Order: sequence, then C-alpha cells, then structure tokens
Amino acid sequence: DGGITQSPKYLFRKEGQNVTLSCEQNLNHDAMYWYRQDPGQGLRLIYYSQIVNDFQKGDIAEGYSVSREKKESFPLTVTSAQKNPTAFYLCASSGGGLEQFFGPGTRLTVL
Amino acid sequence: AQSVTQPDIHITVSEGASLELRCNYSYGATPYLFWYVQSPGQGLQLLLKYFSGDTLVQGIKGFEAEFKRSQSSFNLRKPSVHWSDAAEYFCAVGASRGSTLGRLYFGRGTQLTVWP
Repeated sequence: DGGITQSPKYLFRKEGQNVTLSCEQNLNHDAMYWYRQDPGQGLRLIYYSQIVNDFQKGDIAEGYSVSREKKESFPLTVTSAQKNPTAFYLCASSGGGLEQFFGPGTRLTVL
Repeated sequence: AQSVTQPDIHITVSEGASLELRCNYSYGATPYLFWYVQSPGQGLQLLLKYFSGDTLVQGIKGFEAEFKRSQSSFNLRKPSVHWSDAAEYFCAVGASRGSTLGRLYFGRGTQLTVWP
C-alpha cells in the first residue's frame, strides 16, 4: 500500500527537550513538506524539500530543523528554541503534479 | 503574495440540504486550486483540484467546485449533504511558477456541522 506514515501519533515533550517527528513515504515522491496546524489558523508551512539533500524554510521555521538524507524520509526536529510547540503536525509529499498527499499527523503536547 | 480567504469559519446545515463553502484567493498568475477535507485528528484528503480547462470540476464524495477568475473564487458545492460530510474543509492555492513552485497556501478552514 502506497502512502505516508507519521510516527508517533501522540508525543509528549518536557520543556527544554528536543523531539523528532518521523515522516516516511513510499510514493516515490520528490517533494516533502512539514506543516503545523493550530485551531483556527489553517496549515502553516515549516520546512519543505524538493529534492534529497536540499530543503527550504517555510513561513514558521524558527525553532525547527529538518534533514533529507533519503528520498522517502523527512524527519522534523522540534527544538527547545520553539517556545510554543504544542500543535498538530502534518507531513505531506507530492510527485510530478502539484497536489500534496498528507500523512495522518502527530499531535505534540508540551508538559 | 499568495493568499486564501475562507470567509466562513463555521457553517451548519441540515442533512439533505445543499452546501456552498466560499473560497477567495490572491495570486498574480494562473492559480492551481484545491479543496481538502479533514476529519478530527486526521490528515487532509484531497477532494478536488483545478489546474486548467473546464472551470467546473468534479471531485470525490459528490463535491464540485467552480473556478471564477473574475471573482478570484473557487467555491465548493454539494447538492445534498450527508451527516458523514461533517468535517473541516480547506481551500488552497498552489504556486504555478517561480521560486515558490510546488508550495500550497491554505485558508484557515471552514468547519461544517450537519444536523440530522
């Protein structure tokens, strides 16, 4: 089955900790994206990568970091510099067309 | 700059009634337009898309949308709503050229409640 997987589904972080959210796709898509979703604010782009070993900042990159060492993987690290990390995080990918396909999301809560 | 406005934060309709969700966009070139649906705690599912050609596009689950260039709109419609349509709906515009090619810009969403 082709698709995008995100893990874990729920993640809890203590203040001052870094945490990494996983995103894997087996769609053979070149481009991958990370969004943050807060109630009433829609989706905001954190980082995106259009090719392996390359990525660009989105609109709210501060406090986050990414890597793209493999085509199928695009992990997101939420660092301690992100002051308000509690949110729902969505990963997406796209192939030759412009439509993006989304994973099921990870809900991050800071304790 | 690209942007999307969904004027209605929350809409309530009765089951069987018709539905129209509004979307206005701002983009300097020919836009690529999308509607996505999200159930609580889930990812987004693509309902339909417009790239070019016929301005009335059909999607999944009986939804359709009409692109009106003169009004910069891409409203989503369904003739008869089912209780399972209750969800949050997002309109998005895609950059068709330039350094932001491939990016999507999302509206803030419209929450749909369906009364039995």
